[in-house]
Amino acid sequence: DAGVIQSPRHEVTEMGQEVTLRCKPISGHDYLFWYRQTMMRGLELLIYFNNNVPIDDSGMPEDRFSAKMPNASFSTLKIQPSEPRDSAVYFCASKRASGGRFNEQFFGPGTRLTVL
Amino acid sequence: RKEVEQDPGPFNVPEGATVAFNCTYSNSASQSFFWYRQDCRKEPKLLMSVYSSGNEDGRFTAQLNRASQYISLLIRDSKLSDSATYLCVVGHNDMRFGAGTRLTVKP
Repeated sequence: DAGVIQSPRHEVTEMGQEVTLRCKPISGHDYLFWYRQTMMRGLELLIYFNNNVPIDDSGMPEDRFSAKMPNASFSTLKIQPSEPRDSAVYFCASKRASGGRFNEQFFGPGTRLTVL
Repeated sequence: RKEVEQDPGPFNVPEGATVAFNCTYSNSASQSFFWYRQDCRKEPKLLMSVYSSGNEDGRFTAQLNRASQYISLLIRDSKLSDSATYLCVVGHNDMRFGAGTRLTVKP
């Protein structure tokens, strides 16, 4: 079975440019999460969706960040305009349902973003 | 205060040693608890869930203390392949990760 798919795997861009990260969750999973990981701050939850609806976006750092989930098999995280401090690894994760052992999250390979 | 706090590490231990990691969480309503493992430049992967009664998987033992809002991971007879960062995860739908503890097992 395919796991969580993210693209691109690496992105290098210049400050001020728009960046779009993409994620395809595991089929049948109801929840989708976007995380950002840096050495200084660790793994931070940015936003998560349940059945394509954003539930909690309190972790989104500022208005330059936006996320959408137009259908159950696709989500995007957009940064516009990008800044050097946005450089990080961005992970997408999905899980099947709420509660108990089904709360296991499966992570994609991540997108390594560098903003020059 | 961070929602999930872990031992800062790093832990450097010889093969065969026993090592313990601790984690505290602030949200008493949390219902799900996990330990994840992350290898260098890879994504986090589930190591084991943590149940109220405690649970064991081979050389790994996890404990949960709800009253103290504390979870732990014990690794016995550590192997070189156990070298990784161990992440404590707490929550329900919104899973919060600790900063991770780096373990290096040396020959």
